[in-house]
Amino acid sequence: QQQVKQSPQSLIVQKGGISIINCAYENTAFDYFPWYQQFPGKGPALLIAIRPDVSEKKEGRFTISFNKSAKQFSLHIMDSQPGDSATYFCAASTQGTSGSRLTFGEGTQLTVNP
Amino acid sequence: KAGVTQTPRYLIKTRGQQVTLSCSPISGHRSVSWYQQTPGQGLQFLFEYFSETQRNKGNFPGRFSGRQFSNSRSEMNVSTLELGDSALYLCASSLFGPEAFFGQGTRLTVV
Repeated sequence: QQQVKQSPQSLIVQKGGISIINCAYENTAFDYFPWYQQFPGKGPALLIAIRPDVSEKKEGRFTISFNKSAKQFSLHIMDSQPGDSATYFCAASTQGTSGSRLTFGEGTQLTVNP
Repeated sequence: KAGVTQTPRYLIKTRGQQVTLSCSPISGHRSVSWYQQTPGQGLQFLFEYFSETQRNKGNFPGRFSGRQFSNSRSEMNVSTLELGDSALYLCASSLFGPEAFFGQGTRLTVV
């Protein structure tokens, strides 16, 4: 019930291409869905996040698409660049009086070839 | 504005020892959460503190404990270390809601 499933495990894209990473969840109580980017030796950095009352959110080259009925959300990276090569994690959380906790997907290692 | 600061960055400990990790959140943030990251299990939630109170706890044994001080700084302690405790331990701070900002982590190696 608490799991977040992420795919693919790894992704190779050419420079200028579109990178797409998908996540699915089961717990309908989740109400916050962030994406994190992590470079080797660094902590995860918050990239973009969405709440279930909107179906899409765009920030620069990064877009989250959210499908509440299917319990799925995805990250699209437009015009992918070699500097985008990193591990990406989707996550989900609930927010209430008992605090919040992020449940993470397994991660996707993205490689953007020049 | 300084980010989340974790110390030390690297630690090597022997099985059976205990270890204390420290986290200073972003100024003004009152919520601090801890996560364990391993290649096999990924990112797993340990616990969350808010205003010196533990609000949420993950599924880790009692050897893992934490606390938060009045200045919102937090410490995490692992007692009786096992080889499987080798991991990157990450601290995240939040202002009010679920938006969490992570530090660079403490890499713990148990030998």
